[in-house]
Amino acid sequence: GENVEQHPSTLSVQEGDSAVIKCTYSDSASNYFPWYKQELGKGPQLIIDIRSNVGEKKDQRIAVTLNKTAKHFSLHITETQPEDSAVYFCAAQTYDKVIFGPGTSLSVIP
Amino acid sequence: NAGVTQTPKFQVLKTGQSMTLQCAQDMNHNSMYWYRQDPGMGLRLIYYSASEGTTDKGEVPNGYNVSRLNKREFSLRLESAAPSQTSVYFCASSVVPGTENSPLHFGNGTRLTVT
Repeated sequence: GENVEQHPSTLSVQEGDSAVIKCTYSDSASNYFPWYKQELGKGPQLIIDIRSNVGEKKDQRIAVTLNKTAKHFSLHITETQPEDSAVYFCAAQTYDKVIFGPGTSLSVIP
Repeated sequence: NAGVTQTPKFQVLKTGQSMTLQCAQDMNHNSMYWYRQDPGMGLRLIYYSASEGTTDKGEVPNGYNVSRLNKREFSLRLESAAPSQTSVYFCASSVVPGTENSPLHFGNGTRLTVT
């Protein structure tokens, strides 16, 4: 079946460094790629998204890139802060389904 | 504007007991979803409702039933709980199913333990 791979599964960075999480999807019909952040004890919350006709999108310290040919998309967090510590999920969405990656646990060390 | 509200937040059941997890959204969204989250398994779709009056099975529907009571409310019922149903359950909603720029809005989850 269709799936989304996500790497790494865990990531530890020093405060102020950058963090990159990469996802690969299999369904070529995917046309929308949201990223969610899940803090401990809470539900996932949308932090940034990108449409299939856009290659890159940035929102302050967070950016997402999409390579439709390679079916890759990535989340970039610059100048990481302790409050960025959380689990991050990528997702690939078609007209009738959402497929989530397995998640990346990010730890930012002060 | 509360978003997606789930009740209860925590629940402990004995094997064989039944219970209903409640979910309500105040964003006038058409679609609602139930996911379960287990360590190392990510988010798995149990059931979803693309619009009021319709429900469909997701990836892991066995042992569960759902009711889309109205546009706002979507409940998940466990008729005879089993230890394998110990999990964190998330309800979510979206504007229109599967369209671009239609992210999911999640509640804060119900943590269920079945002993």
